[in-house]
Amino acid sequence: DAGVTQSPTHLIKTRGQQVTLRCSPISGHKSVSWYQQVLGQGPQFIFQYYEKEERGRGNFPDRFSARQFPNYSSELNVNALLLGDSALYLCASSTLGQVYNEQFFGPGTRLTVL
Amino acid sequence: AQSVTQLDSQVPVFEEAPVELRCNYSSSVSVYLFWYVQYPNQGLQLLLKYLSGSTLVESINGFEAEFNKSQTSFHLRKPSVHISDTAEYFCAVRVEGGATNKLIFGTGTLLAVQP
Repeated sequence: DAGVTQSPTHLIKTRGQQVTLRCSPISGHKSVSWYQQVLGQGPQFIFQYYEKEERGRGNFPDRFSARQFPNYSSELNVNALLLGDSALYLCASSTLGQVYNEQFFGPGTRLTVL
Repeated sequence: AQSVTQLDSQVPVFEEAPVELRCNYSSSVSVYLFWYVQYPNQGLQLLLKYLSGSTLVESINGFEAEFNKSQTSFHLRKPSVHISDTAEYFCAVRVEGGATNKLIFGTGTLLAVQP
């Protein structure tokens, strides 16, 4: 079975631009979470979506937004990019939204902002 | 609020030697505890987890971790490491019964196994 997939693998943008990252969860998983991993640090929670509704949001500015589609795939959008947005963006999927269930992580999208 | 502390940013060790990666957490509520491993240029893989029950949990590749509530610790150990264990290891917590799947990660420990 295919795991969590993310696209693109790598991305280079300049300051002020906008970027869209995509995530396809494991088949049957209805919850998608997004994390930002800055070099040398642990991942930080950005959003969780379950059944197309936002379930949680981390401490990130409004420049960050996301949505989940009827097929449970998800997009993360970042507007007005800053140099500090350079990071590995990880997507994780799971079967349920609230009770404990294992999250499976994708390989990530490496975003570089110049 | 919850937080996770991994005091060792890097742990060098020789092959076949034992290793311990330290993790301490802070939380006013009950939490689930996890160790994730990240190999170069890859995503995170769950290594082991503590949800409830026995405080000693084991992985299929020889790692184990012990939940110590009084010391709020969840240290990761392996009696004999291999070159292939070289990776970044992250300790994480999640609020038990929380409204989201949100994981709070430590800053990671690079395990560098030398021949």
